[in-house]
Amino acid sequence: DGGITQSPKYLFRKEGQNVTLSCEQNLNHDAMYWYRQDPGQGLRLIYYSQIVNDFQKGDIAEGYSVSREKKESFPLTVTSAQKNPTAFYLCASSIGGASNTGELFFGEGSRLTVL
Amino acid sequence: DAKTTQPNSMESNEEEPVHLPCNHSTISGTDYIHWYRQLPSQGPEYVIHGLTSNVNNRMASLAIAEDRKSSTLILHRATLRDAAVYYCILRDHSGTASKLTFGTGTRLQVTL
Repeated sequence: DGGITQSPKYLFRKEGQNVTLSCEQNLNHDAMYWYRQDPGQGLRLIYYSQIVNDFQKGDIAEGYSVSREKKESFPLTVTSAQKNPTAFYLCASSIGGASNTGELFFGEGSRLTVL
Repeated sequence: DAKTTQPNSMESNEEEPVHLPCNHSTISGTDYIHWYRQLPSQGPEYVIHGLTSNVNNRMASLAIAEDRKSSTLILHRATLRDAAVYYCILRDHSGTASKLTFGTGTRLQVTL
């Protein structure tokens, strides 16, 4: 089945450790996105990528890094520089380009807790 | 980026219609209006989108004001499974860099 897979679903980390969240899609979408959601809040854009080997900062990129070496993969690294990393992280993708409908497809999310 | 404004919460009785409003007074000519909904601990789910004309699909209807500065998502018969947070966002289809910003949305409660 086509879709977006995020892993792990739950992750615990000690302070000072980097952690990488995986996001894989088999929808052949060009554009991919990472969002952060805190309890009772909306989604805030961390990074997005419109095409392989290119990505742009979103509204809250500090303390995060990404790579886009393959079309189907857009991993997010939460670095030790992120002061408050405990949150629900959501990955999304869309077809991209001028002719697309713009519909975003989301993964099920990864919940990161820093101990 | 153009922003949207939605009420924080709304309530509805089951099997009654629900009208969820959204204001987007700074919408540009290339912005599509998208609606998503999110159940607890899940990723958002696409509901519907439109540009100028009203739109219908199996999930909902979207009514867009003539000046495009507001829109309304219509659930024709609310069920308990429709209880979720509904987000109204603007999506630029011009082909340039497209960021999508989700506000806090409207939390819909559905009661028996």
